[in-house]
Amino acid sequence: AQSVTQLGSHVSVSEGALVLLRCNYSSSVPPYLFWYVQYPNQGLQLLLKYTSAATLVKGINGFEAEFKKSETSFHLTKPSAHMSDAAEYFCAVTRSGGYQKVTFGTGTKLQVIP
Amino acid sequence: GAGVSQSPSNKVTEKGKDVELRCDPISGHTALYWYRQSLGQGLEFLIYFQGNSAPDKSGLPSDRFSAERTGGSVSTLTIQRTQQEDSAVYLCASSLAHLDDPAFGYTFGSGTRLTVV
Repeated sequence: AQSVTQLGSHVSVSEGALVLLRCNYSSSVPPYLFWYVQYPNQGLQLLLKYTSAATLVKGINGFEAEFKKSETSFHLTKPSAHMSDAAEYFCAVTRSGGYQKVTFGTGTKLQVIP
Repeated sequence: GAGVSQSPSNKVTEKGKDVELRCDPISGHTALYWYRQSLGQGLEFLIYFQGNSAPDKSGLPSDRFSAERTGGSVSTLTIQRTQQEDSAVYLCASSLAHLDDPAFGYTFGSGTRLTVV
């Protein structure tokens, strides 16, 4: 079975500050990992994905995430927060090798303070 | 269409009534998923359709829930005898992902917000 844990249901940062959203995964086999963003009253949008190639993955809107097997982590970062980054972020996990459901975390709401 | 379309965007229904939620996936996407998003919860998997294969219904919470996908395109999620705990946002997603490559990622619709009163 696979799962992801997102630490912190709410995170607040000042505009221009570093954004760090934490995600730890559990998987008995090499995982595929995703970050999605959800703006108010919208569906989820794929930010970036890790599929066993480069461990540092760059996504849209200046976000990136690093896969660390030793820490079973896939934290999402952005060097400088922008007001438009305020949204809810979901980490998700699946695996290769045939059809596998994607399991989502409980989400982290990011607030950006002017 | 250009994206995944869901209708209605909002639905208020009385307890005990049946509701139907519709999803139009991106043209050509063979995989279609339904998730439920409750306040403070993650996304709860409900059902998965892939081409002509039998759907994975393992996430449906009770026999009041059912879904079908006609002609490999439009899908309808039906909830019979709705209960207040069914209140949530129901999200549909489609994907080009095939059985041997789940890494394409999903394209989500904007969801249907269901309120059972």
